[in-house]
Amino acid sequence: NAGVTQTPKFQVLKTGQSMTLQCAQDMNHNSMYWYRQDPGMGLRLIYYSASEGTTDKGEVPNGYNVSRLNKREFSLRLESAAPSQTSVYFCASSLEGAVAGELFFGEGSRLTVL
Amino acid sequence: AQSVTQLGSHVSVSEGALVLLRCNYSSSVPPYLFWYVQYPNQGLQLLLKYTTGATLVKGINGFEAEFKKSETSFHLTKPSAHMSDAAEYFCAVSDRAAGNKLTFGGGTRVLVKP
Repeated sequence: NAGVTQTPKFQVLKTGQSMTLQCAQDMNHNSMYWYRQDPGMGLRLIYYSASEGTTDKGEVPNGYNVSRLNKREFSLRLESAAPSQTSVYFCASSLEGAVAGELFFGEGSRLTVL
Repeated sequence: AQSVTQLGSHVSVSEGALVLLRCNYSSSVPPYLFWYVQYPNQGLQLLLKYTTGATLVKGINGFEAEFKKSETSFHLTKPSAHMSDAAEYFCAVSDRAAGNKLTFGGGTRVLVKP
C-alpha cells in the first residue's frame, strides 16, 4: 500500500532557486496538508486543501505556493528559496478533515537551501 | 488560538520502566486531542486520539492517554517501556473553531536504555 508518496526525498538548492515538492495519495482522501518540521518546533502547517479545488493558508505560508492538481495530488512550490526554508517537509492527507480524522503522513522531503 | 505545550524535549527511560510524556493544551472550545509517533526517517503515525466520551483513551503499542479538562492536560503513558518505543512523540490539538487544522506541540524524543 503506497499511502502518501512524496518526491523528492532529498534536495539541495541555492538561495533564489525554485522547486516543487510533489505529493500524491491513493486513499481517496478529501483533505491534504503540507507541514514543515524544524527541531523543537514540532510541525507547522504551511497550506492545506480541505477538498479538491480549494486551498487555504496555514500558520507559515509566506514564501510558498500550493496547487491541488486533482483529488490525489497536492504540490508545494518554493518560488525563490531562502536558507530559512531549510527544513523537512511532510505531506499528509485525511478522509474527513483534521478535526476528528486521522492524518496519514508521507515519509518527508529533506530540503537544504545554501 | 489553540496551542500545545509538551514538557521536556527529551526523556530517557530504562527498558521496563514507566513512560510518561506530558502535554498541556489551550483551546477556546472542547478540544480534539491526538498523540502521534515518529520513528527515525519516517512520517508521523497516529498513536491515539480523544474526541468525545471516555476520557481514558487506549492506543496502539500499549500506550494510553487521559483527557483531564480541569488540568487542560492529555498526558501519554505506557506502563513498561520497550526498546522499540524509542521515537519522537507529538501531542496535537484541533478544535471546531480552527477548522480543518491540527496544532502540534514541539515534540518529545524518547530514549530507551537497556
